[in-house]
Amino acid sequence: KQEVTQIPAALSVPEGENLVLNCSFTDSAIYNLQWFRQDPGKGLTSLLLIQSSQREQTSGRLNASLDKSSGRSTLYIAASQPGDSATYLCAVWGTEYSGGGADGLTFGKGTHLIIQP
Amino acid sequence: DVKVTQSSRYLVKRTGEKVFLECVQDMDHENMFWYRQDPGLGLRLIYFSYDVKMKEKGDIPEGYSVSREKKERFSLILESASTNQTSMYLCASSLLGRGGETQYFGPGTRLLVL
Repeated sequence: KQEVTQIPAALSVPEGENLVLNCSFTDSAIYNLQWFRQDPGKGLTSLLLIQSSQREQTSGRLNASLDKSSGRSTLYIAASQPGDSATYLCAVWGTEYSGGGADGLTFGKGTHLIIQP
Repeated sequence: DVKVTQSSRYLVKRTGEKVFLECVQDMDHENMFWYRQDPGLGLRLIYFSYDVKMKEKGDIPEGYSVSREKKERFSLILESASTNQTSMYLCASSLLGRGGETQYFGPGTRLLVL
C-alpha cells in the first residue's frame, strides 16, 4: 500500500530564509503529486501539481521537484515570509498498478511550518 | 475560481443519530471525494465518485455511505454516528479522469459526536 512520509514534521525559521520541505513515497506508480497548504481549522489550498512525466513546477516563490524513480519530492520556498506559516501537505495519486489501496490521493502527515518575523 | 462548499462548519450530534454532510461544487467537476482528517493520522479517503449515481469505496468506508444524485452534490452519510467518527471531514472535487487533475477542497466540517 502506498505510504507518504514528510520530513521534518515541524520547522521554525526566521523570515527571509530559503527552505526545503521533503516528501517521500513508497510506490512510484503514480499519476501525479500535489503540494497543499492548510491553515489552522481550514480546508486545503492546492499549491502545485506535478504530473508523473514532469520533473518540476514553479509558482511564484515556490518550486516543487519530483524524482519518481526514487520516490521523492521537495518543495522549495524562497525568501520565506510570516504569511507562509501553515501546514504543508504532500499527496500522491496512485495508479491502478499501485500496491493496494483505493484510488484518490494518499497524503503525508504534513510539515508544520512557522516563519518567525 | 472553483468553489467547493460544505453545508456546515461545525456539527454536534449524539451517538446513534443519522448524520448528513453535504458538499456542493460549482465548476461542473466529474469527480468528488470525501476525506476525514485526524491528528496523527492525516487525511484518509472515505468514498469517491467519478460520475452521477456512481460511488467507490476509499480506504476507510466502514460506517459511512454516500449519495450522488446530481453532478454538483456529493453527500456523506453516517448511518448511526459513533464517537470514533468525531473528526474533521473534507470534501474535494476535480475536473475529470483518473488522476492528472488538481483536487479542490472545501473548508471542512468539524463533527463532534457525543
